[in-house]
Order: sequence, then structure tokens, then C-alpha cells
Amino acid sequence: DTAVSQTPKYLVTQMGNDKSIKCEQNLGHDTMYWYKQDSKKFLKIMFSYNNKELIINETVPNRFSPKSPDKAHLNLHINSLELGDSAVYFCASSQGLAGELFFGEGSRLTVL
Amino acid sequence: GEDVEQSLFLSVREGDSSVINCTYTDSSSTYLYWYKQEPGAGLQLLTYIFSNMDMKQDQRLTVLLNKKDKHLSLRIADTQTGDSAIYFCAETTYSGGGADGLTFGKGTHLIIQP
Repeated sequence: DTAVSQTPKYLVTQMGNDKSIKCEQNLGHDTMYWYKQDSKKFLKIMFSYNNKELIINETVPNRFSPKSPDKAHLNLHINSLELGDSAVYFCASSQGLAGELFFGEGSRLTVL
Repeated sequence: GEDVEQSLFLSVREGDSSVINCTYTDSSSTYLYWYKQEPGAGLQLLTYIFSNMDMKQDQRLTVLLNKKDKHLSLRIADTQTGDSAIYFCAETTYSGGGADGLTFGKGTHLIIQP
């Protein structure tokens, strides 16, 4: 059983389009995250939600909008996609002890 | 803000020990972590250490923490080809109110030579 699952795994789209990535966790965790990993494999946190409330919102363009309909889901919607948005986006979740993150397999976004 | 630094690449021969180093700047860090990322996969937690510990050993893995120098290392004994991956150092300051998110280093690519 997949603990943290993201869809789609691959996404290729044109500049200016709007796209969404979905994430679901079946671990019963209270906190979920979105991380961005660039082509050099550098990893940066974008957002964190705890019990459906936004608790971390790093310096991210407001074209990126997370939505958490419930504790088990955290979706990422991106408007007006730009070339620089090409990256692998990882969803993660945690519970209790800070930092023990469980990651999804990533969603590779390519903007042409 | 917090900063976590690692070398980007480490090359070792199969069977040797690998030592991956990390330095961090936040003196209030309470937990320090090592995550492993294999090609095409997400990160997986390898091990972690509380800031009040100096050392933690788990089979082939040894974590050393020098809190004074803010230096963390991960030693992998008898390195195997399956250890080839990117290793991320990460730290957090646990406020007791829930997970605050981690600050990750840029990752060390461990390359195994036959």
C-alpha cells in the first residue's frame, strides 16, 4: 500500500497553461508538505499544512496555490506556468516527531 | 535564516567506508537527519539524531554530531553499489507545536567505484 501518493507522475505542458498535482497520504498524519526539487537536485520547501491549515508559506510566486480539502489530501495548483517551474515536485507528510517525513515519488513537471 | 551545507559529490571504492559531512548554522537545531534519495524516487529517512546525542549507530550507519562545531557526519561502512544515491542532511527546530518543516542541504551524490 502506497503511503504518500502523487498524481500525475509526469506532466508535460506549454507555457501559460494551468495545471494541478494531487497528493494523498494514508498514514493518518496531520501535516503535509510540498517541496520543489530543481535540476541540480536542490530541495526547497514550498508549503506546509497542519490539520488543513497553512503553516509554512515560503517565498513562492502566488501563481502557486495549495489546497487541503482534508488532512489526507494536499493539492498544488499552478497558474500561468513558466519555464522555470520545470522541476520535480514532492509531496510529503509527517506526524508527531518533527521532521520524520514520508515522501511521495515525485511529480516531474516539464514546461515547454 | 538556517543554512545547511554539504559537499555535492563523494566517490568511494566498493567495500570502503564512505563519510558524508554536513555543517549547519542554526544553534537551536534539535533534530538532525539523513535522508537518502535513489534515482527516480522520493527521499527516505535513513536515520536521525537528537541534538543532545554525540553518536548513533545503526548496522552499517554511524552518525556523529559535534554540536560545538555544528558538524554532522554519516559514515557508511563496507559501501555497496546499492548505496549509490543522493544523501541529504536536514535539520529542524522542534517547537513542540508540530512539524515546522526541515531545512535540507543540497545533497551529496555518493558514487561507488568498482
